[in-house]
Amino acid sequence: GAGVSQSPSNKVTEKGKDVELRCDPISGHTALYWYRQSLGQGLEFLIYFQGNSAPDKSGLPSDRFSAERTGGSVSTLTIQRTQQEDSAVYLCASSLAGALGGSQETQYFGPGTRLLVL
Amino acid sequence: AQTVTQSQPEMSVQEAETVTLSCTYDTSESDYYLFWYKQPPSRQMILVIRQEAYKQQNATENRFSVNFQKAAKSFSLKISDSQLGDAAMYFCAYFIIQGAQKLVFGQGTRLTINP
Repeated sequence: GAGVSQSPSNKVTEKGKDVELRCDPISGHTALYWYRQSLGQGLEFLIYFQGNSAPDKSGLPSDRFSAERTGGSVSTLTIQRTQQEDSAVYLCASSLAGALGGSQETQYFGPGTRLLVL
Repeated sequence: AQTVTQSQPEMSVQEAETVTLSCTYDTSESDYYLFWYKQPPSRQMILVIRQEAYKQQNATENRFSVNFQKAAKSFSLKISDSQLGDAAMYFCAYFIIQGAQKLVFGQGTRLTINP
């Protein structure tokens, strides 16, 4: 089946503009994660969705960042009033969380969105 | 703090040789999973191998194997018979089963394969 998809692949925006990044997880995966990867760095956790539970937003760096997940599937990460330090690759992952004995802890990643804020 | 340390920013190996990438981590939890992911220039994070902390047997996946030392909190990746397609950034990560549902990543090791 299809893997995790993300759009756009690349996004260039001007400082102060809002951007929306989209993630379409693997069908049937109930857990969805957003990570940020700054140049030459490892991945930094942003937010986690699991089913209908309240999301874990503990990794969001500021209140300019928000995310939603509609219908338990597609997710959108929104960055308002973008700053140059927001430039990074934003990666989405999904997993089959919740299944007893399942590989819920294995996260499968999308190709990412490279965001450049000028 | 929960951290992952990859002490080798860059490594290189001759094609067909064996290379080992090191990883240490720090957690007070006893129940967790460990992962190695590969990230080629395409940016796609690809799962290489996974280890459950409760298992003493080291995981193996074809040419990839790990040396998991739980007491030392060490989780190294061995790549045998290196191939040009193995060139990538390699990230070590762990996942706490009863904790925050997130992967904690190291800074990565860039692996170059010399023909």
